[in-house]
Amino acid sequence: DTGVSQDPRHKITKRGQNVTFRCDPISEHNRLYWYRQTLGQGPEFLTYFQNEAQLEKSRLLSDRFSAERPKGSFSTLEIQRTEQGDSAMYLCASSLSGPYNEQFFGPGTRLTVL
Amino acid sequence: AQRVTQPEKLLSVFKGAPVELKCNYSYSGSPELFWYVQYSRQRLQLLLRHISRESIKGFTADLNKGETSFHLKKPFAQEEDSAMYYCAFVSGGSYIPTFGRGTSLIVHP
Repeated sequence: DTGVSQDPRHKITKRGQNVTFRCDPISEHNRLYWYRQTLGQGPEFLTYFQNEAQLEKSRLLSDRFSAERPKGSFSTLEIQRTEQGDSAMYLCASSLSGPYNEQFFGPGTRLTVL
Repeated sequence: AQRVTQPEKLLSVFKGAPVELKCNYSYSGSPELFWYVQYSRQRLQLLLRHISRESIKGFTADLNKGETSFHLKKPFAQEEDSAMYYCAFVSGGSYIPTFGRGTSLIVHP
């Protein structure tokens, strides 16, 4: 296990298309987080899972966004009808349960919407 | 609303000079504070956290509740310290960190 992995690393799509990203967390981590990061900003929380349950969603997560973690292992983040404003780096992180545990981040997926 | 402010987008120093990266937060309760770092072409990683009260790579950070600050300090900067630094905090009862916008530290030889 070499850490959190994300696929693809880069995605270029046309406005209106759907895209799906995948995140594979560290195997023993039961928490998984998705963030979005735009230029000049820190990561902004989107949603998180405890095992397969999606426990919290940010108001940034519009109804065009959906995330799943069906078996409590890998997770997918889908964006439907992409808009140019969706262009950003999408980061995934995982952690153990418990308060204030360190989050381990993946390399991110850079989305460009043309 | 809870917020983290990193007032400097860029901090440029020479090797051997002291470094202080500023972080202020707005929250009325007892937060837990973190510093994350991202070196060039690497992923975001935890540098240090308040609860551990540790020194990592010569960096320390002290929580000042009166000034609501958690500044990151190092007495003698090294070229390998050049990176993006993000301050983050977690409010009581939450597991979700709020990140600042980051400060780019450049250490010149």
